[in-house]
Amino acid sequence: GDSVTQMEGPVTLSEEAFLTINCTYTATGYPSLFWYVQYPGEGLQLLLKATKADDKGSNKGFEATYRKETTSFHLEKGSVQVSDSAVYFCALSERTGGFKTIFGAGTRLFVKA
Amino acid sequence: DAGVIQSPRHEVTEMGQEVTLRCKPISGHDYLFWYRQTMMRGLELLIYFNNNVPIDDSGMPEDRFSAKMPNASFSTLKIQPSEPRDSAVYFCASSLAVGGQFGYTFGSGTRLTVV
Repeated sequence: GDSVTQMEGPVTLSEEAFLTINCTYTATGYPSLFWYVQYPGEGLQLLLKATKADDKGSNKGFEATYRKETTSFHLEKGSVQVSDSAVYFCALSERTGGFKTIFGAGTRLFVKA
Repeated sequence: DAGVIQSPRHEVTEMGQEVTLRCKPISGHDYLFWYRQTMMRGLELLIYFNNNVPIDDSGMPEDRFSAKMPNASFSTLKIQPSEPRDSAVYFCASSLAVGGQFGYTFGSGTRLTVV
């Protein structure tokens, strides 16, 4: 079945460092891909999305490119801030799965001042 | 819009008691989802509704769990009787579509502790 695999955390960075959180997926069709962010004590928030191969999703300085050839959707940010400290979830949904969204395990990011 | 509203935010109950979690989705969203989040199992989809009708409840762990959506603006998730292993954060989410291009809007969750 469909699945999402994220790099294990926690990831600890200093402020203004470059961020990459790896995400790879397994799907039978052509899924839509998402990154969600969860701040402490809150629900998940949609951060960005991409619906077809080579699409780049972007929001708040975060970017991720849908790479069909490598089945990846890595999250990047050029300069992280302390306020970016949160848990990041990669997710997919596709028609053959009834469009149910499947989430990765989440990657916790700590950014130090 | 105030977003997806869940209540209560925290619930502590004794084993064997009935627990009811509540959710108000975003107005106009046709789909409503109930998820459970634990450290061990991550995010699990329990059940989802389309236009108030349950579509897939294959994630409901056992008969002790039930969910209803009597109208477009309200849903409940009930656990009866509750057990310590039900302790988790329960999220409600709503969407214009079951997946696809819109993503989901999540509530802030209900943290359930069963002692």
